[in-house]
Amino acid sequence: GIQVEQSPPDLILQEGANSTLRCNFSDSVNNLQWFHQNPWGQLINLFYIPSGTKQNGRLSATTVATERYSLLYISSSQTTDSGVYFCAVDNYGQNFVFGPGTRLSVLP
Amino acid sequence: DTEVTQTPKHLVMGMTNKKSLKCEQHMGHRAMYWYKQKAKKPPELMFVYSYEKLSINESVPSRFSPECPNSSLLNLHLHALQPEDSALYLCASSLLPGGLSGYTFGSGTRLTVV
Repeated sequence: GIQVEQSPPDLILQEGANSTLRCNFSDSVNNLQWFHQNPWGQLINLFYIPSGTKQNGRLSATTVATERYSLLYISSSQTTDSGVYFCAVDNYGQNFVFGPGTRLSVLP
Repeated sequence: DTEVTQTPKHLVMGMTNKKSLKCEQHMGHRAMYWYKQKAKKPPELMFVYSYEKLSINESVPSRFSPECPNSSLLNLHLHALQPEDSALYLCASSLLPGGLSGYTFGSGTRLTVV
């Protein structure tokens, strides 16, 4: 099956800093999403982005499908950005596969 | 309505109990999913329902029994669970099987088996 890697596994930032999270996947995909899981466990959809670039406020994402990677940019980070960021992909099947996640801590 | 609603939010059950988790969506999505998430791990797929029919069972033990009574509702019946089954159980839906327009997740049921 498709493999998903995320880097870095852990990231500690000072409030106001910028960061880039990376997701690599091993095969072509028809669906790629970035999620933020908050401390209560809820998976919040950030972007549906199988290809191209999208922006939503301080967050933006780019997927280069031909090179099998996606990037999530967080600018001017806030303490509320803390949590785990997951990349998940689907390659024309019905199994939406999650990467191992990046655990982000934003310090005040 | 753009949400997937899961109940209960928390559940503690003994190993001899029978309980059910409930998931509901009113977005007209025709595929629904159960995921299991252990602490500090990513969610893992358990079951997929496409058009109310079970299409994928990821080798889940029979003590977990899914049910899809209609296109809006998904249940997970639990019986004779083990302490290692304690986890966050997440429900998701997508407009069509394969999630071409993306997946929407509920907030989960945190299950503790004692």
